[in-house]
Amino acid sequence: GNSVTQMEGPVTLSEEAFLTINCTYTATGYPSLFWYVQYPGEGLQLLLKATKADDKGSNKGFEATYRKETTSFHLEKGSVQVSDSAVYFCALISKNRDDKIIFGKGTRLHILP
Amino acid sequence: GAGVSQSPSNKVTEKGKDVELRCDPISGHTALYWYRQSLGQGLEFLIYFQGNSAPDKSGLPSDRFSAERTGGSVSTLTIQRTQQEDSAVYLCASSLAQGQGAGANVLTFGAGSRLTVL
Repeated sequence: GNSVTQMEGPVTLSEEAFLTINCTYTATGYPSLFWYVQYPGEGLQLLLKATKADDKGSNKGFEATYRKETTSFHLEKGSVQVSDSAVYFCALISKNRDDKIIFGKGTRLHILP
Repeated sequence: GAGVSQSPSNKVTEKGKDVELRCDPISGHTALYWYRQSLGQGLEFLIYFQGNSAPDKSGLPSDRFSAERTGGSVSTLTIQRTQQEDSAVYLCASSLAQGQGAGANVLTFGAGSRLTVL
C-alpha cells in the first residue's frame, strides 16, 4: 500500500541555518504530494504541494521538488527563523478515486535564536 | 462556512460515559477525515468519508468508536464507554475530491475537539 516516511525529529538548528527535512514515499502511479505545518498551539495547515513529477512547490521561503526517480519530496529552506519552529508533516494521495490521504509521522523542528 | 468547524472545542467526561464530537466541513467539500492527535504525537487516522459513505474505516481503534455523515455535510464521531486512553485532540478535515479543481485533496483542518476522560 501507499506510505510516507519522513525523518525523525526533533531537528534543532540555529537561526539562519539551512534546513532539509527528508520525505520519501511509496505509491503506485503519480500521487500528489504535500507538506503541512502545525505551529505551536495551532491547527495543521497546508504549506506547499506538488501534483506531478518535477513540480516544485514553494511557500514562505520553503521549497520541495517532486522527484519521481528517487520517490522523494524533501522540504528545504535556505535560512530558517525562530518562527519556523513547528511540526512538519509530509503527505501523499494517489489518483485513485477512493484512496485516502496518507501522512508521515511528523518532524518537530526547533530553531534557536 | 468559511472554515471547518468542530464542537465542542473542549470536553471533559467521566470514564464510561459516551461522547459525541461534531464536524461541520466547508460547504461543497465531499471528502471528510477524522484524525486523533495525542500530546506531542503525530496524526492517527480514524476514518475517511467520500460523500456519505466511508471507503476506509480501518483506523477506528475499537468498536466503541463510530462515525457517520449525513447529507454529505456534517459528521459526528461517537465514542461509547470512554476510557482514559481516549483522551486526545480529535481533528476533522475536509477537502474537495479528485477532479473537483485545483483545490482537490487539499485538506482544511478544524481547530479540533480536546477530549479529556477522567
